[in-house]
Amino acid sequence: GQQVMQIPQYQHVQEGEDFTTYCNSSTTLSNIQWYKQRPGGHPVFLIQLVKSGEVKKQKRLTFQFGEAKKNSSLHITATQTTDVGTYFCAGPSGNEKLTFGTGTRLTIIP
Amino acid sequence: SAVISQKPSRDICQRGTSLTIQCQVDSQVTMMFWYRQQPGQSLTLIATANQGSEATYESGFVIDKFPISRPNLTFSTLTVSNMSPEDSSIYLCSVEGAAGSPYEQYFGPGTRLTVT
Repeated sequence: GQQVMQIPQYQHVQEGEDFTTYCNSSTTLSNIQWYKQRPGGHPVFLIQLVKSGEVKKQKRLTFQFGEAKKNSSLHITATQTTDVGTYFCAGPSGNEKLTFGTGTRLTIIP
Repeated sequence: SAVISQKPSRDICQRGTSLTIQCQVDSQVTMMFWYRQQPGQSLTLIATANQGSEATYESGFVIDKFPISRPNLTFSTLTVSNMSPEDSSIYLCSVEGAAGSPYEQYFGPGTRLTVT
């Protein structure tokens, strides 16, 4: 079945440093979604990308969808303590249900 | 958007018993889903709750173990039957197709289940 892998699994950064998580799917995706889950919380939708090569920005967050629509990335500029959490990408599988990536857990060192 | 509540928020159950988790949405939605998430792990889809018909289960999950109901467009239940310690996990309800948000999934706060 479809697999969606993310690297790194964990990332510890100093506050103010940049952070990037990469998402790779074993199959071509019609779209990719990103979610953030704070410690002890539930996943919260961040964004959806649909077009090949698409780039979207939300303040300090930049999301990119690869040209082949099999990979994506999330880059956070100048991290803040509020960015702490696990970031998941998710893409539709063959039955159109979302397959969530393995996640990247971000911790911030003040 | 959609606001989702789940009951109970947590429970500790004995092996061999069953627990029913309720999911209530504040508006009508097209799709309702049930996920399982082990601490520190990703989300695994259990099934899609279909209104007025049997749920659609993902590979590895069966109706006898996880019976699901969805009597209307705002409510669903998931039962974890004949529980074993391996069922200890967080169970999350999610919805898709809320008004103004056709493809976003909104998640409930989750139910933390511990089986002893």
